[in-house]
Amino acid sequence: GIQVEQSPPDLILQEGANSTLRCNFSDSVNNLQWFHQNPWGQLINLFYIPSGTKQNGRLSATTVATERYSLLYISSSQTTDSGVYFCAVRPAGNKLTFGGGTRVLVKP
Amino acid sequence: EAGVAQSPRYKIIEKRQSVAFWCNPISGHATLYWYQQILGQGPKLLIQFQNNGVVDDSQLPKDRFSAERLKGVDSTLKIQPAKLEDSAVYLCASSFDRGQPQHFGDGTRLSIL
Repeated sequence: GIQVEQSPPDLILQEGANSTLRCNFSDSVNNLQWFHQNPWGQLINLFYIPSGTKQNGRLSATTVATERYSLLYISSSQTTDSGVYFCAVRPAGNKLTFGGGTRVLVKP
Repeated sequence: EAGVAQSPRYKIIEKRQSVAFWCNPISGHATLYWYQQILGQGPKLLIQFQNNGVVDDSQLPKDRFSAERLKGVDSTLKIQPAKLEDSAVYLCASSFDRGQPQHFGDGTRLSIL
């Protein structure tokens, strides 16, 4: 099956800092989603981005499908950004496969 | 728009007991998914429904897990009998159709004693 690798595995930020999270995948995909799992366990849909660039407030994402990677940018981080960020991909006709996640802690 | 509803929020049972979880997807969503998330890992798909039919149950431990979506709307997932390794969060998700963005419920946290 498809392999999904996220880096870094852990990230500690000072409030106000910017950061970039990376997702590499081993095969072509029809669907790519970024999720944020908050400390209460809720999985929040951030972006549906099989290709191109999208922005939503302080967050933006870019997927370069031909090179099999996606990036999630967090700008001016806040303590509420803490949690685990998951990348999930779906090859054609297959199921959504999650990466191992990046655990982010934003310190005040 | 109401989100995906799941209940209960938490459940504690002893091994070898049975347990059931309920999910009501977003209105109009044809595709419903059940995931298992073990602590420290990403969610893993257990079963996918398209309306009331099963699309993929390849990772469902069928000797103890069962799921149904009889009327093509809400769904139940059952474990009988439970094992210690079933301790996890069980997440339900739905999408308008196959391949569309998935939206997740808050999950049921299951602890097996």
